[in-house]
Amino acid sequence: GAVVSQHPSWVICKSGTSVKIECRSLDFQATTMFWYRQFPKQSLMLMATSNEGSKATYEQGVEKDKFLINHASLTLSTLTVTSAHPEDSSFYICSARAEYNEQFFGPGTRLTVL
Amino acid sequence: AQSVTQPDIHITVSEGASLELRCNYSYGATPYLFWYVQSPGQGLQLLLKYFSGDTLVQGIKGFEAEFKRSQSSFNLRKPSVHWSDAAEYFCAVGAGLGGNKLTFGTGTQLKVEL
Repeated sequence: GAVVSQHPSWVICKSGTSVKIECRSLDFQATTMFWYRQFPKQSLMLMATSNEGSKATYEQGVEKDKFLINHASLTLSTLTVTSAHPEDSSFYICSARAEYNEQFFGPGTRLTVL
Repeated sequence: AQSVTQPDIHITVSEGASLELRCNYSYGATPYLFWYVQSPGQGLQLLLKYFSGDTLVQGIKGFEAEFKRSQSSFNLRKPSVHWSDAAEYFCAVGAGLGGNKLTFGTGTQLKVEL
């Protein structure tokens, strides 16, 4: 199957700083990428959907200025958590899909904000 | 809005025993239904999906699921569990084009006793 990578796999940062998470489709071109957030022992919650070259579509309740998403190429999307606070600590997962195809998920990035 | 319920948070089965993981969904139209497995350090992997047609769906790793519209259920089954099946299992319902806007259940943690 298609491979999606995320970098870093784990990041610790101080409160007030910004953190960037990368999501790459390694062997296919992803027309759409999705960003999810997963709290411990809970489900994945869709945060936003991004199409290459377009602005991301955010789900209700997700702060656009807090979670900046860029999908500049067909193989790379980035999620930047701006001015991170402890409540932003979570597991962030991306997925990518080629046109008319299923989503392939990355392994996730664990963010800890001190 | 769609929703998914996985009533069992944890399930323990003996290796070689049969398995059934429950999933109930709520969706206004004909649903796109998915089962994913999540192992530590790995991305979610698609086990099987239902879009239309035969209500008994075969997936990878010997899993199958049956769509029952009257019960709003999409339970996952496997006749004989292997120790390597221990993982977290998520049921999801998809909306939008191709069912790609996913809403996940809270997951079922499967433990396999040797």
